[in-house]
Amino acid sequence: QKEVEQDPGPLSVPEGAIVSLNCTYSNSAFQYFMWYRQYSRKGPELLMYTYSSGNKEDGRFTAQVDKSSKYISLFIRDSQPSDSATYLCAMSVAQGAQKLVFGQGTRLTINP
Amino acid sequence: GAVVSQHPSWVICKSGTSVKIECRSLDFQATTMFWYRQFPKQSLMLMATSNEGSKATYEQGVEKDKFLINHASLTLSTLTVTSAHPEDSSFYICSARRILELNTEAFFGQGTRLTVV
Repeated sequence: QKEVEQDPGPLSVPEGAIVSLNCTYSNSAFQYFMWYRQYSRKGPELLMYTYSSGNKEDGRFTAQVDKSSKYISLFIRDSQPSDSATYLCAMSVAQGAQKLVFGQGTRLTINP
Repeated sequence: GAVVSQHPSWVICKSGTSVKIECRSLDFQATTMFWYRQFPKQSLMLMATSNEGSKATYEQGVEKDKFLINHASLTLSTLTVTSAHPEDSSFYICSARRILELNTEAFFGQGTRLTVV
């Protein structure tokens, strides 16, 4: 079983829709959770990071963490064609830990 | 956010030759940098952790003699793929960690696409 599971998609939605991306994990030691956006042939770009259960909002993006269920989500509101990319979740253990474990990535397409 | 620069962005080399990839943190110091490999439509797989002033730590299954890592300064790490073969063709990405209070963030370079012919 992989430490981090993420549905690779592809996921295709119309412009303006709310997008929900999810990851589950098995290692209860994970404490820090991140979402990255990766455009084709580019390095990942950090979108959101959080270290506590609950919601964190930044513009059109909301990151949600449920440690009791080992489940994290990223919501994108008012999705735009420019949001089309691969979204990767990543996690690490407590502060000072160095290793990030990534999900497989979900390929998202927003259709105009 | 912090900037990590990777060079070159792409490289084509002949089988049997060696290729060096550079990773620089431009506006912060990174005592630790990370090297990942990504195959098409797959996630990033950590290859090794590069520590300034000491030997790199390699993940299980990664050949340290094939993937040479040197962390020459607080802003530069290099990955050398020695005696490259077509199966080494991949997207190589570095990242650097900046410790901020209770949080940790990792910033990535733009990646290097290596094609071995």
